[in-house]
Amino acid sequence: GEDVEQSLFLSVREGDSSVINCTYTDSSSTYLYWYKQEPGAGLQLLTYIFSNMDMKQDQRLTVLLNKKDKHLSLRIADTQTGDSAIYFCAESRPTGKLIFGQGTTLQVKP
Amino acid sequence: EPEVTQTPSHQVTQMGQEVILRCVPISNHLYFYWYRQILGQKVEFLVSFYNNEISEKSEIFDDQFSVERPDGSNFTLKIRSTKLEDSAMYFCASREGSANTGELFFGEGSRLTVL
Repeated sequence: GEDVEQSLFLSVREGDSSVINCTYTDSSSTYLYWYKQEPGAGLQLLTYIFSNMDMKQDQRLTVLLNKKDKHLSLRIADTQTGDSAIYFCAESRPTGKLIFGQGTTLQVKP
Repeated sequence: EPEVTQTPSHQVTQMGQEVILRCVPISNHLYFYWYRQILGQKVEFLVSFYNNEISEKSEIFDDQFSVERPDGSNFTLKIRSTKLEDSAMYFCASREGSANTGELFFGEGSRLTVL
């Protein structure tokens, strides 16, 4: 199937780390993406990882990829209230189209 | 920073009317896409476009939908006869390199409401 699965909701306290998990299906996916969507807004590309990498770090964001288990995670260090949003993971197919998960709503409590 | 721009940001239309959503991809990009997101649901692929032709389309992209690149800058999505279930946010996206490389940039979206 084409399903990319994410948990629907995560709540953390400001200053804590957030970990958002995703599982995908296609072992031929070459890139995996994390997008952020704030209410009423578009899709902001946060980061992406090439499938031959295990980890990518970009400031407060760390992406971990377990290709064997087809598991992707996004860790946000020192989570801030401005990080509250919906986070989508997506896998790219060889044709270039992205298959999105259903999104994880991150709630950051002060 | 270059960005994908979409117009209109919101359009309200009557069922059965034709709608054209417009996108200006990033200028040196070669691959263009339309996605849609029904309220509260996941983002779904509609169509990809390269070298002035459709390279892939989903089951959603039926005969009521068409895409066009009428000039060197615009990329449009036309819905010929809108239905209530076409109400959604429509996102345009573009990519510089070959089909499966690197960053895919999205516009802010066009919200379509069909009454």
